[in-house]
Amino acid sequence: DIQMTQSPSSLSASVGDRVTITCRASQSIGSYLNWYQEKPGKAPKVLIYAVSSLQSGVPSRFSGSGSGTDFTLTISSLQPEDFATYYCQQSYSTPRTFGQGTKVEIK
Amino acid sequence: QVQLQESGPGLVKPSETLSLTCSVSGGSISNYYWAWIRQPAGKGLEWIGRINTSGSTNYNSSLKSRVTMSVDTSKNQFSLKLSSVTAADTAVYYCAREYSGSDSRYFDYWGQGTLVTVSS
Repeated sequence: DIQMTQSPSSLSASVGDRVTITCRASQSIGSYLNWYQEKPGKAPKVLIYAVSSLQSGVPSRFSGSGSGTDFTLTISSLQPEDFATYYCQQSYSTPRTFGQGTKVEIK
Repeated sequence: QVQLQESGPGLVKPSETLSLTCSVSGGSISNYYWAWIRQPAGKGLEWIGRINTSGSTNYNSSLKSRVTMSVDTSKNQFSLKLSSVTAADTAVYYCAREYSGSDSRYFDYWGQGTLVTVSS
């Protein structure tokens, strides 16, 4: 199984801050890396697929980059509605696996 | 707009079988893989497995001996059975559609999730 490791596990930031979350895969996964946002009581929502493609309707302040085993999700200017937990997920092989999550909290 | 809705008992006794159904509306169930994903309270997401309308399945090896998935194309539904449950199987269970493109595969539609508690 491919292990996905996110860092940090949590972070505190202020509105307007630039936030970066990293995700490392235990082996190369090409471009099969996706990012999801989860809010309490709601299902996860895809933000970024295939490393850097923005899902329709997702604000452009979200961006993704990386290749192979190392990937990054960046929020260029954190907004109040962005306080949530973020997960990376690999779709290179089964079983599909997720990172442990990064909780973005208000500073 | 595609919508998914999980249904099934919210309480299951230890050693019994958890059974959930996901009803898909707003689109055809054909030509996609359909997945079950769960999340214990306060923890991360765990992929349980997937099925397509041909009946092809992939299961998480950690659960493989206890999982069975099926699909009913006439009802636009797919189902999950997890046998011999324990308290460790208590979680919110999501169904989701896996979109597959030329260079991408991701879960684009999710159900709202249903909490299943294993307790006597």
